[in-house]
Amino acid sequence: DAKTTQPPSMDCAEGRAANLPCNHSTISGNEYVYWYRQIHSQGPQYIIHGLKNNETNEMASLIITEDRKSSTLILPHATLRDTAVYYCIVRRTSGTYKYIFGTGTRLKVLA
Amino acid sequence: GAVVSQHPSWVICKSGTSVKIECRSLDFQATTMFWYRQFPKQSLMLMATSNEGSKATYEQGVEKDKFLINHASLTLSTLTVTSAHPEDSSFYICSASGSLTGTSYNEQFFGPGTRLTVL
Repeated sequence: DAKTTQPPSMDCAEGRAANLPCNHSTISGNEYVYWYRQIHSQGPQYIIHGLKNNETNEMASLIITEDRKSSTLILPHATLRDTAVYYCIVRRTSGTYKYIFGTGTRLKVLA
Repeated sequence: GAVVSQHPSWVICKSGTSVKIECRSLDFQATTMFWYRQFPKQSLMLMATSNEGSKATYEQGVEKDKFLINHASLTLSTLTVTSAHPEDSSFYICSASGSLTGTSYNEQFFGPGTRLTVL
């Protein structure tokens, strides 16, 4: 079973911030939170990951709660091209480890 | 860096034939590759994990004799769907993790996927 839960769908107006939540209440101290997105009929694309501190890159920001049981992916200025399914995944900090994908959040950016 | 390709991008075959899908890491050494299957409007389901030079580890419920995986080099893994049937029609996606000149990529980088249609 996936170790994360996400809302099945969300809408966001173009140009506004999209805030996508993820619950990972059983996360272990040695597990990262990773975010990927999948645009229709393509392979998943890496977005960002974090352990316990907030992270930001050119694509998004990741806010992880202090207890690490949930996180939020923020797309600061959503565009139509950000319409995709967003997956939140937890994985170990060391070694190569398999991903278990949950159902993800289908984000629709509206013009 | 960290680019993964798949070939073919789509394939149509007759029931009973075998189909081979290639997954290549173009600019890094993929010590581990993963194969996923995705049905329409569903999430990715992990089929198997393969380490270079070793036998693949299959997830529960995945038939190893039907889905043959070979990972003979650090840049290439293949998935062969043997005696394909219409129910095997799906989107097959590979991913890879490994290292590039001393940088370790523990995260997975995904290929663009291969759409298999079995008639």
